[in-house]
Amino acid sequence: EAGVVQSPRYKIIEKKQPVAFWCNPISGHNTLYWYLQNLGQGPELLIRYENEEAVDDSQLPKDRFSAERLKGVDSTLKIQPAELGDSAVYLCASSSDNTDTQYFGPGTRLTVL
Amino acid sequence: GESVGLHLPTLSVQEGDNSIINCAYSNSASDYFIWYKQESGKGPQFIIDIRSNMDKRQGQRVTVLLNKTVKHLSLQIAATQPGDSAVYFCAERFSGGYQKVTFGIGTKLQVIP
Repeated sequence: EAGVVQSPRYKIIEKKQPVAFWCNPISGHNTLYWYLQNLGQGPELLIRYENEEAVDDSQLPKDRFSAERLKGVDSTLKIQPAELGDSAVYLCASSSDNTDTQYFGPGTRLTVL
Repeated sequence: GESVGLHLPTLSVQEGDNSIINCAYSNSASDYFIWYKQESGKGPQFIIDIRSNMDKRQGQRVTVLLNKTVKHLSLQIAATQPGDSAVYFCAERFSGGYQKVTFGIGTKLQVIP
């Protein structure tokens, strides 16, 4: 079974530029999460989807971050414009209704110059 | 070898010895706890979980202990191997609201061959 797929794996952009990350969850998993992970720290939840509905986006900086999961499968996370402090690893995870276990993708490492 | 979690983020253990990684969680209302392993350049990988109605759970070479009285969680790894070298995160899930999972800051385990 394929795991959570994320792309790109690495992204380097200049500040004030837009950037987008893509996630394909494990097949059949209806819950999808986006996390931000700074170096040496644990992942911090940005947004959680149940199917296509964002059920927890309280930690998403809505002035510059947006996310969508239009068909309840793939999801994109966008930052516009990016700031230096956005440099981090952006992780996507998914889980199914029948388990609390979250399965993580490899992450996208963003560097903002 | 044994860590004290937040106060000693790096644990060095001789290959073959047992490792104990500790974690102090914050919310007495948390009902579910998970240990994740994260290798360099990869997303967190589920190791083992435990619900609040249990105080011990065993997996393959790993044991999780939960002490709700002092809000303490530990991960024991038997016969530590070089492949166990990684950062280990404990995570707790608060039983109310959206059942958000919160990660700790992690402990780096270094296995000395």
